Amino acid sequence: EDKVVQSPLSLVVHEGDTVTLNCSYEVTNFRSLLWYKQEKKAPTFLFMLTSSGIEKKSGRLSSILDKKELSSILNITATQTGDSAIYLCAVEPGQGGSEKLVFGKGTKLTVNP
Amino acid sequence: EADIYQTPRYLVIGTGKKITLECSQTMGHDKMYWYQQDPGMELHLIHYSYGVNSTEKGDLSSESTVSRIRTEHFPLTLESARPSHTSQYLCASSDTTESEKLFFGSGTQLSVL
Repeated sequence: EDKVVQSPLSLVVHEGDTVTLNCSYEVTNFRSLLWYKQEKKAPTFLFMLTSSGIEKKSGRLSSILDKKELSSILNITATQTGDSAIYLCAVEPGQGGSEKLVFGKGTKLTVNP
Repeated sequence: EADIYQTPRYLVIGTGKKITLECSQTMGHDKMYWYQQDPGMELHLIHYSYGVNSTEKGDLSSESTVSRIRTEHFPLTLESARPSHTSQYLCASSDTTESEKLFFGSGTQLSVL
């Protein structure tokens, strides 16, 4: 059974800290890995990583895919209170499409001033 | 502005009532989805649609039904609500060319008493 495990489940840091969120997966024929940020209720897309694009960066956020270790990390540098959210990792198996996305439970990040 | 809307945001209802959760998107996306999310748990797909007149059941068994008569509208109906249906319901849509990049609505928090 396809599975995505995120760690830690919860993290509390101070503004300015750097954080690393982890996502490991076991899926049949990996196709892509996605990160979403869920503030309040609506998740918003952050990054998509594939075999041809294993590293993405946007401002203070960056993500790397390690296909050998079947995992990905999401780094946030110089954290701000606005980074407080649940970060979701999802993996798309090779068979099927977006309807086959497997989500992890998320990491709840709290950034205190 | 292109967006995806869900109504109501919150709904408290008694057992046995029929309810419809509304979802509309203005992005012209063909693919639409309904996910169920409980606190601290993964998103689980309950229904999806490839386009008008297309509906499919997701991985999580659900007593709800959906319809897709118009591209922009994807309502979810529960004929007889039960306390076990209490959950958050998230609607999403995606373009067929980049279908893994989901755009989510703000969700409906359903409580069945």
